[in-house]
Amino acid sequence: AQSVSQHNHHVILSEAASLELGCNYSYGGTVNLFWYVQYPGQHLQLLLKYFSGDPLVKGIKGFEAEFIKSKFSFNLRKPSVQWSDTAEYFCAVNTNAGKSTFGDGTTLTVKP
Amino acid sequence: DAGVIQSPRHEVTEMGQEVTLRCKPISGHDYLFWYRQTMMRGLELLIYFNNNVPIDDSGMPEDRFSAKMPNASFSTLKIQPSEPRDSAVYFCASRNYDRGGYTFGSGTRLTVV
Repeated sequence: AQSVSQHNHHVILSEAASLELGCNYSYGGTVNLFWYVQYPGQHLQLLLKYFSGDPLVKGIKGFEAEFIKSKFSFNLRKPSVQWSDTAEYFCAVNTNAGKSTFGDGTTLTVKP
Repeated sequence: DAGVIQSPRHEVTEMGQEVTLRCKPISGHDYLFWYRQTMMRGLELLIYFNNNVPIDDSGMPEDRFSAKMPNASFSTLKIQPSEPRDSAVYFCASRNYDRGGYTFGSGTRLTVV
């Protein structure tokens, strides 16, 4: 069965700092990859997704992610974070089944 | 599109009572998922449906939990009897397989006292 690892459980940054959140998955076949964001007290929302093509994917709110097949990774990046980016971030992977496997999430706290 | 609609938004009930959570997925989405989220256990998949048919209910914690999807536009998650440890936020999500990503509802915050 596939699994998703998010190694950083809690990241604390100051505003304007650059962000990179790690995501690794274990599955040898074709995958679809996602990042979701959950703002405090809200539901998960899709940030970006990768299905095929250009491995550098751009999402909403200035986020991007890079799919590196050889490393089984799909790291999330943002060049300059804002206080409003404080949230929990979930990486997820889809294989042939209809459901996604989610990572445990990374809590990002941005200090003003 | 109104998105995935869940009701109620908040539910407070006494231990032993029956609780029914409702979900209306996005029209045209062929998958529906029920998740539970707590601080201790994180996000847990309870059950999911494909074209109204339950595919995997291995995440349903006990026989007290049941879920149905009588048609493509409606699903329920029932807890009977409810217990304090069932307190959590319950999310419904739907997706169209060909278009990827889940759309989550706003959730139902359940408190069992």
